[in-house]
Amino acid sequence: QQQVKQSPQSLIVQKGGISIINCAYENTAFDYFPWYQQFPGKGPALLIAIRPDVSEKKEGRFTISFNKSAKQFSLHIMDSQPGDSATYFCAASKETSGSRLTFGEGTQLTVNP
Amino acid sequence: DTAVSQTPKYLVTQMGNDKSIKCEQNLGHDTMYWYKQDSKKFLKIMFSYNNKELIINETVPNRFSPKSPDKAHLNLHINSLELGDSAVYFCASSLWTATYGYTFGSGTRLTVV
Repeated sequence: QQQVKQSPQSLIVQKGGISIINCAYENTAFDYFPWYQQFPGKGPALLIAIRPDVSEKKEGRFTISFNKSAKQFSLHIMDSQPGDSATYFCAASKETSGSRLTFGEGTQLTVNP
Repeated sequence: DTAVSQTPKYLVTQMGNDKSIKCEQNLGHDTMYWYKQDSKKFLKIMFSYNNKELIINETVPNRFSPKSPDKAHLNLHINSLELGDSAVYFCASSLWTATYGYTFGSGTRLTVV
């Protein structure tokens, strides 16, 4: 049972464009929604995260939009750069002791120069 | 200097062998995890330890046995390796809940031939 569904599987964007990756979750008990970035040969690294009490969070060129009623959240990368080319994972968790992150399937982003 | 370090980085072994992967973190975190990333890059939790106590044990063949000698170390031992065990195994750590964010190691690429 896949609790966090992510789309698209792959995305190609031109330099300077906007990259948008979407996720949907099922478990209404989730209360923490991070995005991770993974470069080839490296482990995933935390990029940005949001809690459901806000609808949007922005850090530099990266923005998370959160829609609690639709149980959806998305990552927007503004002014996409070739260095942003990586695999992006959304995830969800509950804030309880010993909680685990449930990851989406991942999106391979390629930003062409 | 590395926050979460795993050894070895690459492991090539024959079917039926027994192998171990070691993980150490110097972040002072009290929760550690093992995740498996398959060929489609899907990340799935295997185990989690909090202060040396096993708290998450997903449906994993009992050929996989984690061991945490102290809260800074979490090792993974795999008996009777099978072709399907080929994957990248990531160790991660966090404070007491995943909502503080994971720090991942660089991964161990296991290839069973």
